[in-house]
This record gives sequence, C-alpha cells and structure tokens, in this order.
Amino acid sequence: NAGVTQTPKFQVLKTGQSMTLQCAQDMNHNSMYWYRQDPGMGLRLIYYSASEGTTDKGEVPNGYNVSRLNKREFSLRLESAAPSQTSVYFCASSEASAGYNEQFFGPGTRLTVL
Amino acid sequence: GNSVTQMEGPVTLSEEAFLTINCTYTATGYPSLFWYVQYPGEGLQLLLKATKADDKGSNKGFEATYRKETTSFHLEKGSVQVSDSAVYFCALLNYGGATNKLIFGTGTLLAVQP
Repeated sequence: NAGVTQTPKFQVLKTGQSMTLQCAQDMNHNSMYWYRQDPGMGLRLIYYSASEGTTDKGEVPNGYNVSRLNKREFSLRLESAAPSQTSVYFCASSEASAGYNEQFFGPGTRLTVL
Repeated sequence: GNSVTQMEGPVTLSEEAFLTINCTYTATGYPSLFWYVQYPGEGLQLLLKATKADDKGSNKGFEATYRKETTSFHLEKGSVQVSDSAVYFCALLNYGGATNKLIFGTGTLLAVQP
C-alpha cells in the first residue's frame, strides 16, 4: 500500500519555466491538498480539492494552478516559475474535507527556482 | 482568525531527557488539535490528536492534553531517544462550512544526542 506518492522528488527550474508536480493516492480518499513548506512558516495550503471535479484556493494560491484529474490524482502546475516559489511541496489526502478526517502526506517535492 | 504558535527551536536534548514542546492556539469554536512529526527527508505523519477539551492524545510515548482554559496543547515525552529527532508540528482543524482546513504552527526541530 503506497499511500500518497509524489513525483518528482527534486527539481531545479530557471525563472519563467513551467512544470507540473504530480500526486496520486491509493486510499480511495475524496479530498486532496497541496501545501508548501518554507523555513519559519510551517505548512501553508495552496489549493485543495474537496471531491473529484472540484478545486478551491487555499491560503497562497497565486502563481499556481491545479487539476483534479480523477479521484486518485491531483496535480499542481507552475506556469511561470519565480524564485519565490522555491520551497518543499507536499500533497496530502483525506477521506473527506468536512468533519474530522486525518490527512495523509506524501514525501514531498523539493523545488528550487534559480 | 485561527492560528497556532509553537516554541521556536531547535530543541537539543540528551537521550533519556524529558521533552516539552509548547503549543498554543487561537480559534473560534471548538477545534480539534494535532501533533504531526516529520522525520528527515519524509512527509508529515500524524503523531497524536485530541478532539475535545481535556482529551489526552498519546502515541509512541508522546502525550498532549487539550487545555481549553489555557488554549494549549503541549507535547511531552518522559524519555526521548535519538530516533525521536525530527520536526514536530502542532496543528488545529476548525469545523466551518463544508470544508475544514488544517492550520499549522511553524514547526519545532528536536535534536536528540546520544
């Protein structure tokens, strides 16, 4: 049972380049999330998907887009990367977004934008 | 709004020492409280949780009690091991509307020396 998987593990981009971070979960969860982790700031929610076919902005959505491809997969796209987007990105999933539901996290993608 | 404040690290302890990591929160209503742990190079894992006042969450020798009167959820362990070295995040989940979001503290790095 893989849980939440993310690809790639590491990525270096130049300013202005684009890329897509992939996330998949095999727990049949309805809700999925994208966070970024920066030193001294904890984790901040970028976007989330409460259920297949829906997406909503979180705390820091600017510069990002997401796609909930199906129930398993939730991708995060940077259209024109900026140095301020250098961070570690975590994907998470939960059974549902309402009510108490534990979130399960992937191993993260470390992104550097030069 | 909702927020979580944790003590800044790093916290450096010798093996078998007593651990306390302080966490206080600001929230309306009755949030659920969590401690997550992040081992080097990995994603976050749920360590323990408490869903109502006076509840005590416990796991792997760690404990935290939900104190509504002091809005706190301090993490404790009686005897730490080198393998406990990690970053610890306090988080709250407040129920509101159709979707709930986790709010994280900034994280506290624990380093345990043999």
